[in-house]
Formats: sequence, C-alpha cells, structure tokens
Amino acid sequence: EVQLLESGGGLVQRGGSLRLSCAASGFTFSSDAMTWVRQAPGKGLEWVSMIIGSGGATYYAHSVKGRFTISRDNSKNTLYLQMNSLRSEDTAVYYCAKAASGWYPDYWGQGILVTVSS
Amino acid sequence: QSVLTQPPSASGTPGQRVTISCSGSNSNIGSSTVNWYQHLPGTAPKLLIYSNTQRPSGVPDRFSGSKSGTSASLAISGLQSEDEADYYCAAWDGSLNGLIFGGGTKLTVL
Repeated sequence: EVQLLESGGGLVQRGGSLRLSCAASGFTFSSDAMTWVRQAPGKGLEWVSMIIGSGGATYYAHSVKGRFTISRDNSKNTLYLQMNSLRSEDTAVYYCAKAASGWYPDYWGQGILVTVSS
Repeated sequence: QSVLTQPPSASGTPGQRVTISCSGSNSNIGSSTVNWYQHLPGTAPKLLIYSNTQRPSGVPDRFSGSKSGTSASLAISGLQSEDEADYYCAAWDGSLNGLIFGGGTKLTVL
C-alpha cells in the first residue's frame, strides 16, 4: 500500500523559510517522479513542482520558481520542498504526491498546512 | 484564473447522470492526456480517471471520462450522495512545462 506522510509545516513569517518533508513507502521510491501540489484557503488545486525518480530533472510552477527547491533522498525514501522568501500567497495545504508514468499524481498524502503571516 | 476552464458548480439528484466539462488549448489538452480527481475537504485528493478514459482499480464504472480536441468531460451516472465533492481536471502543459489543474467544480447532490 502506497503511503505518503508530509511533515514540517507550520507558521512562518513573511520572507522566512520552511522545509517540507514527505516520507514514502509501499512502492519503489527511486523509480517514480514525485510532485508537490498545494491548495490555498478557498481556492483550487495548484501544481507546485515535480522531480523525476533519479533527481536529475526538476520542474516548477512560475509562481514559485527561484524561491522553492524540490529534492529527494532515494536512500531515505524521502521527498523535500525547501521554501524560501515565503509570501502570504504561499499559505496553503501542501500535498505530496507520487507521479505515475504520465507525470500526473496518482497517490496523494493527507497534506500539511503552511501559514505565512505578515 | 486557471488555464483549464471548468464550471464552478454542478448539481443533480440521486440516480441522475451529471457531466463536468474541462476546456483547454492545444498546448495542454490538445497535446496531452487528461486526468480527473475527486477531492473532499480535509482529505487527500483521489485519482478518478487517467489517460482521458481509464479508471484506476477500485473506481466504480459510474465514473467515465472522454476527450475531444481541446476539451474533456467527466460523466457520473447513477449519482449518489457520496459523490458530493470537488472535481478537478488536470493535464500537462507543454508551453508552461508543468502540470495544470482546472479551477474545480463543486458537485452538489440535491
């Protein structure tokens, strides 16, 4: 059974930094791309970033490019999202998701809340 | 404003058939496959349809997807109260080089 467990969320001041982690189990972690998707309060789903299985290629939404960095440690089956220069509009529930071969999310974590205060 | 356009709301009575549309462009739906997700507040989104028409194991055959040109649709037949949720379409956009979601459709079962 695929399991994804996010951690590291919380309250941070505007301009601050936070690192999210996602512990994965139930599949061959190094074989699959992984993504982060977020949902701001009262808004829809927004794709944030993706990293391929080897970690050799990364992709970002325009809204976070240059501020967020996605990475993975395949020896620890863990995905990360380093978030710098946080803005109020980054306030959201962040979901970690495994990506299928077509790069769309097929399994999702329960999500973790990040709140950026001004 | 989302790149993929969905109606903000839809509704139906138990047993009815409801369709939700998703309109895009040549850089996304027109050149990629469409996926659909069901999302209940406070829970993890669930993959309903992938590759335009395919259902993951465990998804009832009441749910079906279709795609034509730069548009796609999700159909739910035999509507049940448990289907009340938010539904999102998603597709890879070659111009943006990223995955894009529709704005979401809130389905109400009357």
